[in-house]
Amino acid sequence: DTGVSQDPRHKITKRGQNVTFRCDPISEHNRLYWYRQTLGQGPEFLTYFQNEAQLEKSRLLSDRFSAERPKGSFSTLEIQRTEQGDSAMYLCASSFGEMNTEAFFGQGTRLTVV
Amino acid sequence: SQQGEEDPQALSIQEGENATMNCSYKTSINNLQWYRQNSGRGLVHLILIRSNEREKHSGRLRVTLDTSKKSSSLLITASRAADTASYFCATDARMDTGRRALTFGSGTRLQVQP
Repeated sequence: DTGVSQDPRHKITKRGQNVTFRCDPISEHNRLYWYRQTLGQGPEFLTYFQNEAQLEKSRLLSDRFSAERPKGSFSTLEIQRTEQGDSAMYLCASSFGEMNTEAFFGQGTRLTVV
Repeated sequence: SQQGEEDPQALSIQEGENATMNCSYKTSINNLQWYRQNSGRGLVHLILIRSNEREKHSGRLRVTLDTSKKSSSLLITASRAADTASYFCATDARMDTGRRALTFGSGTRLQVQP
C-alpha cells in the first residue's frame, strides 16, 4: 500500500453515461497526476495538479474529460458521455515538491464501458 | 503522447541471468526514473537518476544515463522469478506549455523463468 487510494477499483458503465473517479493522495503531497493505461501500454499522461491548480492537461484529452482538485487535497476525474474507447485503467499518483520526483501510485480504477 | 520508448518490448530470461532494458526519450530532462508494475497493479518507483549523473546503483539495480544520446538503461543482476513484471522509464518531459510533467514510456515486459 503506497498511501494513495483510488475509488472505485472497478467500474462498469453503459456507453453514454457519466462516471467519476476519486483519488486520495498522500496527505503532504502537493502534486497529483492522472494517467490512463490500456493493456500492454505505458501510462498515458492526462493531467496534473500542483496543489489546487491544474497546471497541465494533455492536448490529446477530450473535452469530455475534466478533473478537479478542490482545496488541494483529493481529486476527481469525470468522464462525460462515455465511449467504448474510454475503457482503460485510470491511475492516480502523487508526489512532493516542485519537481517531478518519485511518484506514488494508487492501484487504479478499471473502467469498462459496455 | 509517450515521451520514452523502451527496448526490447519483451524479454524472457532464466533465473540468475541479468536483464537489461533500454529507454530513449525526446526532450531535455532534469531526471529520469524507472518504475515497475506487476500485472493489474499500480506502479512502484525503483530508482531516480538526475541529469548530471551518469550511473546509479540500488541493490541489484544499476541505471545509466547518457544525456547526449537521450538514453538510459536499467540492469537487473541475478534475476529472480519475482522480478517478473513490466518496467517503465519516466521523465519530466517538457510539454507544449513549457512546463514539465512526468511522462512514461511504453515499457518492457520481463519474464524470468524459474
